[in-house]
Amino acid sequence: DAGVIQSPRHEVTEMGQEVTLRCKPISGHNSLFWYRQTMMRGLELLIYFNNNVPIDDSGMPEDRFSAKMPNASFSTLKIQPSEPRDSAVYFCASSLTGGNTEAFFGQGTRLTVV
Amino acid sequence: DAKTTQPPSMDCAEGRAANLPCNHSTISGNEYVYWYRQIHSQGPQYIIHGLKNNETNEMASLIITEDRKSSTLILPHATLRDTAVYYCIADPGINYGQNFVFGPGTRLSVLP
Repeated sequence: DAGVIQSPRHEVTEMGQEVTLRCKPISGHNSLFWYRQTMMRGLELLIYFNNNVPIDDSGMPEDRFSAKMPNASFSTLKIQPSEPRDSAVYFCASSLTGGNTEAFFGQGTRLTVV
Repeated sequence: DAKTTQPPSMDCAEGRAANLPCNHSTISGNEYVYWYRQIHSQGPQYIIHGLKNNETNEMASLIITEDRKSSTLILPHATLRDTAVYYCIADPGINYGQNFVFGPGTRLSVLP
């Protein structure tokens, strides 16, 4: 397996534009997580899914952020409209539910909003 | 999740053992101790985890005190590629998988 795949790796967009980040989890994993990392706040959990269902979105900063998981092999994180303070590295991770399993992280998407 | 406390930074000479401490004095009986690391510009990488007993794998060893209030991650022969931020997390790791809360971690610098 190629691991967790995120796209794009880098995204530069203008303030006010819609941004969509994509994630393909490891095949067979049924938990998926979106994290955001900034220098000021470190790694923050935004939302996580189990069996394609959002379980906890309390980390989503505001209504401009939304996440979907239409099937077991794909998830998106959308920001609309984007703002400069959304600039960060966004990581997706997946794992197997139940027990003490490990989470596997993608390489991240570096988002810059100008 | 139990709160963990780690030193902000540490240095280690290449080839020597790196011992990274973590305090988790409020850890619950069902919470595991997980260690992840993040090399610059990469996503976090799992290292090891344990509940009560000491654990060892190809990457590291984890020593957990008998009262489970602290632990130490040991990299037996540190290399320059081990330079990274190391995160200690206490989490049940059950039900819906890990929804880890990452603290600031320990920035380990392996020096030549």
